[in-house]
Amino acid sequence: DTAVSQTPKYLVTQMGNDKSIKCEQNLGHDTMYWYKQDSKKFLKIMFSYNNKELIINETVPNRFSPKSPDKAHLNLHINSLELGDSAVYFCASSQALGTYYEQYFGPGTRLTVT
Amino acid sequence: EDKVVQSPLSLVVHEGDTVTLNCSYEVTNFRSLLWYKQEKKAPTFLFMLTSSGIEKKSGRLSSILDKKELFSILNITATQTGDSAVYLCAVERSGGGADGLTFGKGTHLIIQP
Repeated sequence: DTAVSQTPKYLVTQMGNDKSIKCEQNLGHDTMYWYKQDSKKFLKIMFSYNNKELIINETVPNRFSPKSPDKAHLNLHINSLELGDSAVYFCASSQALGTYYEQYFGPGTRLTVT
Repeated sequence: EDKVVQSPLSLVVHEGDTVTLNCSYEVTNFRSLLWYKQEKKAPTFLFMLTSSGIEKKSGRLSSILDKKELFSILNITATQTGDSAVYLCAVERSGGGADGLTFGKGTHLIIQP
Protein backbone atom coordinates (compact mmCIF):
# COMPACT_ATOMS: atom_id res chain seq x y z
CA ASP A 1 0.00 0.00 0.00
CA THR A 2 1.23 3.46 -0.84
CA ALA A 3 1.83 5.52 2.30
CA VAL A 4 2.01 8.98 0.74
CA SER A 5 0.83 9.51 -2.81
CA GLN A 6 0.91 12.54 -5.05
CA THR A 7 -0.77 13.39 -8.33
CA PRO A 8 0.24 14.15 -10.93
CA LYS A 9 3.79 12.81 -11.15
CA TYR A 10 4.61 15.23 -13.94
CA LEU A 11 3.06 18.58 -14.70
CA VAL A 12 4.01 20.79 -17.61
CA THR A 13 2.28 24.13 -17.88
CA GLN A 14 2.72 27.67 -19.11
CA MET A 15 3.60 30.78 -17.18
CA GLY A 16 0.64 32.54 -15.70
CA ASN A 17 -1.48 29.42 -15.26
CA ASP A 18 -2.92 28.20 -11.97
CA LYS A 19 -2.32 24.58 -11.03
CA SER A 20 -2.81 22.17 -8.15
CA ILE A 21 -0.91 19.17 -6.88
CA LYS A 22 -2.74 16.65 -4.75
CA CYS A 23 -1.35 14.71 -1.83
CA GLU A 24 -2.89 11.94 0.21
CA GLN A 25 -1.54 9.87 3.08
CA ASN A 26 -3.07 6.70 4.47
CA LEU A 27 -0.90 6.49 7.58
CA GLY A 28 -3.28 8.22 9.92
CA HIS A 29 -0.70 10.95 10.52
CA ASP A 30 -1.71 14.29 11.95
CA THR A 31 0.80 16.44 10.12
CA MET A 32 1.58 16.99 6.47
CA TYR A 33 4.25 19.02 4.71
CA TRP A 34 5.17 20.39 1.34
CA TYR A 35 8.78 20.65 0.14
CA LYS A 36 10.31 22.15 -2.95
CA GLN A 37 13.49 20.75 -4.50
CA ASP A 38 15.07 22.86 -7.20
CA SER A 39 17.25 21.78 -10.12
CA LYS A 40 20.35 21.82 -7.93
CA LYS A 41 18.72 19.34 -5.57
CA PHE A 42 18.32 21.97 -2.88
CA LEU A 43 15.42 20.88 -0.68
CA LYS A 44 13.38 23.44 1.18
CA ILE A 45 10.39 23.04 3.42
CA MET A 46 7.45 25.21 2.38
CA PHE A 47 4.60 24.40 4.74
CA SER A 48 3.77 22.35 7.77
CA TYR A 49 0.13 21.68 8.53
CA ASN A 50 -1.82 19.77 11.11
CA ASN A 51 -5.40 19.97 12.17
CA LYS A 52 -4.63 22.88 14.41
CA GLU A 53 -2.26 25.10 12.57
CA LEU A 54 -0.65 25.97 9.30
CA ILE A 55 2.93 27.11 9.50
CA ILE A 56 4.27 28.84 6.47
CA ASN A 57 7.89 29.34 5.57
CA GLU A 58 8.03 33.09 5.21
CA THR A 59 10.14 32.85 2.08
CA VAL A 60 7.36 31.12 0.16
CA PRO A 61 5.44 33.50 -2.14
CA ASN A 62 1.77 33.90 -1.36
CA ARG A 63 0.98 32.51 -4.81
CA PHE A 64 1.43 29.15 -3.10
CA SER A 65 -1.34 28.00 -0.82
CA PRO A 66 -1.97 24.66 0.84
CA LYS A 67 -5.53 23.43 1.17
CA SER A 68 -6.54 20.57 3.43
CA PRO A 69 -10.03 19.17 2.94
CA ASP A 70 -9.38 16.59 5.66
CA LYS A 71 -6.57 15.13 7.74
CA ALA A 72 -5.45 12.73 5.01
CA HIS A 73 -5.07 15.31 2.27
CA LEU A 74 -2.98 18.41 1.74
CA ASN A 75 -3.16 19.88 -1.72
CA LEU A 76 -0.88 22.57 -3.05
CA HIS A 77 -2.33 25.36 -5.17
CA ILE A 78 -0.08 27.60 -7.17
CA ASN A 79 -1.38 30.74 -8.82
CA SER A 80 0.20 32.71 -11.65
CA LEU A 81 2.98 30.21 -12.24
CA GLU A 82 6.45 31.54 -12.94
CA LEU A 83 9.49 29.96 -14.56
CA GLY A 84 11.24 29.80 -11.20
CA ASP A 85 8.50 27.57 -9.85
CA SER A 86 9.88 24.71 -11.92
CA ALA A 87 11.02 22.12 -9.42
CA VAL A 88 10.12 18.82 -7.85
CA TYR A 89 7.54 19.18 -5.12
CA PHE A 90 7.41 16.57 -2.38
CA CYS A 91 4.60 16.00 0.01
CA ALA A 92 5.34 14.32 3.34
CA SER A 93 3.59 13.34 6.52
CA SER A 94 4.48 12.55 10.10
CA GLN A 95 2.58 11.68 13.23
CA ALA A 96 3.09 15.00 14.94
CA LEU A 97 4.26 18.46 14.01
CA GLY A 98 8.01 18.53 13.63
CA THR A 99 8.69 14.80 14.04
CA TYR A 100 10.91 14.85 10.99
CA TYR A 101 12.69 11.62 11.87
CA GLU A 102 9.57 9.64 11.13
CA GLN A 103 8.52 11.55 8.08
CA TYR A 104 7.30 9.67 5.03
CA PHE A 105 7.77 11.34 1.69
CA GLY A 106 5.64 11.02 -1.40
CA PRO A 107 7.24 10.21 -4.76
CA GLY A 108 7.33 13.84 -5.87
CA THR A 109 5.71 15.89 -8.63
CA ARG A 110 7.98 17.33 -11.26
CA LEU A 111 6.58 20.70 -12.28
CA THR A 112 7.90 22.35 -15.43
CA VAL A 113 6.79 25.86 -16.25
CA THR A 114 7.41 26.99 -19.82
CA GLU B 1 19.62 32.89 9.08
CA ASP B 2 20.16 29.18 9.62
CA LYS B 3 22.83 27.62 7.45
CA VAL B 4 23.83 24.05 6.61
CA VAL B 5 26.93 23.39 4.52
CA GLN B 6 27.77 19.97 3.20
CA SER B 7 31.05 18.84 1.75
CA PRO B 8 32.13 17.61 -0.61
CA LEU B 9 29.35 18.46 -3.04
CA SER B 10 30.22 15.41 -5.07
CA LEU B 11 32.41 12.38 -4.57
CA VAL B 12 33.34 9.46 -6.79
CA VAL B 13 34.91 6.37 -5.22
CA HIS B 14 35.31 2.69 -5.98
CA GLU B 15 33.33 -0.11 -4.46
CA GLY B 16 34.79 -1.20 -1.17
CA ASP B 17 36.15 2.23 -0.27
CA THR B 18 35.17 4.06 2.90
CA VAL B 19 33.72 7.54 2.58
CA THR B 20 33.14 10.36 5.02
CA LEU B 21 30.56 13.02 4.30
CA ASN B 22 30.60 16.28 6.20
CA CYS B 23 27.90 18.61 7.42
CA SER B 24 28.52 21.84 9.29
CA TYR B 25 25.79 24.10 10.52
CA GLU B 26 24.84 27.37 12.11
CA VAL B 27 21.42 27.38 13.65
CA THR B 28 19.61 29.20 16.40
CA ASN B 29 18.27 26.94 19.13
CA PHE B 30 19.55 23.67 17.71
CA ARG B 31 17.30 20.70 18.30
CA SER B 32 18.51 17.89 16.04
CA LEU B 33 20.47 17.02 12.93
CA LEU B 34 19.12 14.57 10.40
CA TRP B 35 20.67 12.63 7.55
CA TYR B 36 18.71 11.47 4.52
CA LYS B 37 19.53 9.39 1.45
CA GLN B 38 17.97 10.41 -1.82
CA GLU B 39 18.19 8.12 -4.78
CA LYS B 40 16.02 8.81 -7.77
CA LYS B 41 12.96 9.87 -5.91
CA ALA B 42 12.06 10.99 -2.40
CA PRO B 43 14.51 11.28 0.49
CA THR B 44 14.58 8.44 2.98
CA PHE B 45 15.51 9.01 6.59
CA LEU B 46 18.81 7.61 7.85
CA PHE B 47 19.66 9.09 11.25
CA MET B 48 18.64 11.70 13.72
CA LEU B 49 21.28 13.03 16.10
CA THR B 50 20.61 15.15 19.11
CA SER B 51 23.44 14.43 21.52
CA SER B 52 27.05 15.19 20.97
CA GLY B 53 29.55 12.35 20.74
CA ILE B 54 27.07 9.51 20.51
CA GLU B 55 27.44 7.47 17.35
CA LYS B 56 24.39 6.24 15.54
CA LYS B 57 24.96 3.11 13.50
CA SER B 58 23.00 1.15 10.95
CA GLY B 59 24.88 -1.57 9.12
CA ARG B 60 27.73 -0.01 7.18
CA LEU B 61 26.51 3.52 7.87
CA SER B 62 27.31 5.50 10.97
CA SER B 63 27.05 9.10 12.01
CA ILE B 64 28.22 11.29 14.85
CA LEU B 65 27.49 14.81 15.96
CA ASP B 66 29.82 17.38 17.51
CA LYS B 67 27.68 20.12 19.01
CA LYS B 68 30.66 22.11 20.18
CA GLU B 69 32.22 22.36 16.74
CA LEU B 70 28.80 22.39 15.02
CA PHE B 71 29.27 19.57 12.59
CA SER B 72 28.35 16.00 11.84
CA ILE B 73 29.87 13.29 9.71
CA LEU B 74 28.30 10.38 7.93
CA ASN B 75 30.57 7.39 7.35
CA ILE B 76 29.93 4.61 4.91
CA THR B 77 32.29 1.65 5.03
CA ALA B 78 32.78 -1.05 2.37
CA THR B 79 30.74 1.00 -0.10
CA GLN B 80 28.53 -0.70 -2.66
CA THR B 81 27.06 0.58 -5.90
CA GLY B 82 23.68 0.76 -4.16
CA ASP B 83 25.07 3.46 -1.90
CA SER B 84 25.18 5.82 -4.87
CA ALA B 85 22.81 8.64 -4.02
CA VAL B 86 22.57 12.21 -2.83
CA TYR B 87 23.03 12.42 0.92
CA LEU B 88 21.23 15.28 2.56
CA CYS B 89 21.91 16.80 5.93
CA ALA B 90 19.24 18.87 7.67
CA VAL B 91 19.16 20.75 10.93
CA GLU B 92 16.09 21.29 13.02
CA ARG B 93 15.72 24.09 15.48
CA SER B 94 13.48 24.28 18.49
CA GLY B 95 10.11 25.75 17.85
CA GLY B 96 9.70 23.51 14.83
CA GLY B 97 7.42 24.73 12.15
CA ALA B 98 7.85 25.10 8.45
CA ASP B 99 11.04 27.08 8.77
CA GLY B 100 12.34 24.87 11.53
CA LEU B 101 14.17 22.48 9.19
CA THR B 102 17.03 23.67 7.01
CA PHE B 103 18.70 21.42 4.46
CA GLY B 104 22.18 21.48 3.02
CA LYS B 105 22.72 21.19 -0.70
CA GLY B 106 23.65 17.54 -0.43
CA THR B 107 26.63 15.39 -1.34
CA HIS B 108 26.29 13.47 -4.58
CA LEU B 109 28.05 10.17 -3.99
CA ILE B 110 28.88 7.88 -6.89
CA ILE B 111 30.24 4.40 -6.24
CA GLN B 112 31.97 2.89 -9.23
CA PRO B 113 32.15 -0.90 -9.59
